[in-house]
Amino acid sequence: NAGVTQTPKFQVLKTGQSMTLQCAQDMNHEYMSWYRQDPGMGLRLIHYSVGAGITDQGEVPNGYNVSRSTTEDFPLRLLSAAPSQTSVYFCASSYGGGVYGYTFGSGTRLTVV
Amino acid sequence: AQSVTQLDSHVSVSEGTPVLLRCNYSSSYSPSLFWYVQHPNKGLQLLLKYTSAATLVKGINGFEAEFKKSETSFHLTKPSAHMSDAAEYFCVVSDGISNFGNEKLTFGTGTRLTIIP
Repeated sequence: NAGVTQTPKFQVLKTGQSMTLQCAQDMNHEYMSWYRQDPGMGLRLIHYSVGAGITDQGEVPNGYNVSRSTTEDFPLRLLSAAPSQTSVYFCASSYGGGVYGYTFGSGTRLTVV
Repeated sequence: AQSVTQLDSHVSVSEGTPVLLRCNYSSSYSPSLFWYVQHPNKGLQLLLKYTSAATLVKGINGFEAEFKKSETSFHLTKPSAHMSDAAEYFCVVSDGISNFGNEKLTFGTGTRLTIIP
């Protein structure tokens, strides 16, 4: 089925470790973004991309890096994990941005101990 | 700047009765507005969207929302609740600017809908 695929679904990291959350979409969407979801705070934008080679920071970018070498993939890298990064992470893609609506992946639940 | 306020963090209704989830917004632009639903351990699914066409918007699974500019509201309704509607619902505003670098979605904090059998 077409959509947004996130891996892994669950991950436990130790403080200071690094890792990459993977996101891939097969709908040829130009817009992709990463959000984190924390209790009582809704979803907050980490980074987004409007096309291959173009990325920018969202609301809460500190501690995260992204790159977009292809239209399909938009990985999120945690450089040195901290307990404050314990959260559920969602990747989303869109044909042309918010007015078209976004398709979300099923999320990655990350715990940093 | 834009913001979204979901007025109820938790709503409980009996199966077969109407559902009302309230959302107010503020935006400096002509906004686009969305409702998303999230079932447990799932991603967000688009229910419906308003993008400056008809003010009454119909979505999937019998949900509707009415855009009221004078009240800056975008409340979500359904005439008759079903057990499968139990989920978390997010109201979202987009400034709708599609030029590179400025498109932004702002999410409400969510309303958890419980359906009583």
